[in-house]
Amino acid sequence: QQQVKQSPQSLIVQKGGISIINCAYENTAFDYFPWYQQFPGKGPALLIAIRPDVSEKKEGRFTISFNKSAKQFSLHIMDSQPGDSATYFCAASRPNQAGTALIFGKGTTLSVSS
Amino acid sequence: DVKVTQSSRYLVKRTGEKVFLECVQDMDHENMFWYRQDPGLGLRLIYFSYDVKMKEKGDIPEGYSVSREKKERFSLILESASTNQTSMYLCASSLGQGVGETQYFGPGTRLLVL
Repeated sequence: QQQVKQSPQSLIVQKGGISIINCAYENTAFDYFPWYQQFPGKGPALLIAIRPDVSEKKEGRFTISFNKSAKQFSLHIMDSQPGDSATYFCAASRPNQAGTALIFGKGTTLSVSS
Repeated sequence: DVKVTQSSRYLVKRTGEKVFLECVQDMDHENMFWYRQDPGLGLRLIYFSYDVKMKEKGDIPEGYSVSREKKERFSLILESASTNQTSMYLCASSLGQGVGETQYFGPGTRLLVL
């Protein structure tokens, strides 16, 4: 119930291609779904986030698609660039808990080849 | 810009030692978090704090304790370090209690326990 399952574990995409990372959850009380991006040697940083009352959110080349009935959400990176090579984590906000702690997926390592 | 700093980037300790990891944020955030990051396991929440002197257990609190005596500082304590606590430790902070608060991460402390 308190898990977020992320796939694939690793992904190799050609420059200019579309990168797609998927996440699934069980707890329907989750109310906020962020994606974090982490470069080597750095801490994760918020990339984009969505609330469950919205089916899609787009920011530049990054889009979250959210399917409430399937309890799934995904990150799409259009026109992937070598600079997008990083580890990506999906997450969900724990409901009714002080401090708005997040549950993170296990991460996807993306490599964009030039 | 929000800045979260961690006292050490790399730390080597012996089994049985008491270890202190320090985290400081400069944006008057209410919430602070400690995660550990291990390959293939993602980010797992150890402890978090939503106010001075307040703390909540996360998913893997065993073997750890925390201290928050001042709002800007959150310490993670390994009472008696063990080799299975070799990991990357990440501190984060967020502003308040609302849904969708961004967590800001420090650069991490890589701890090796010999």
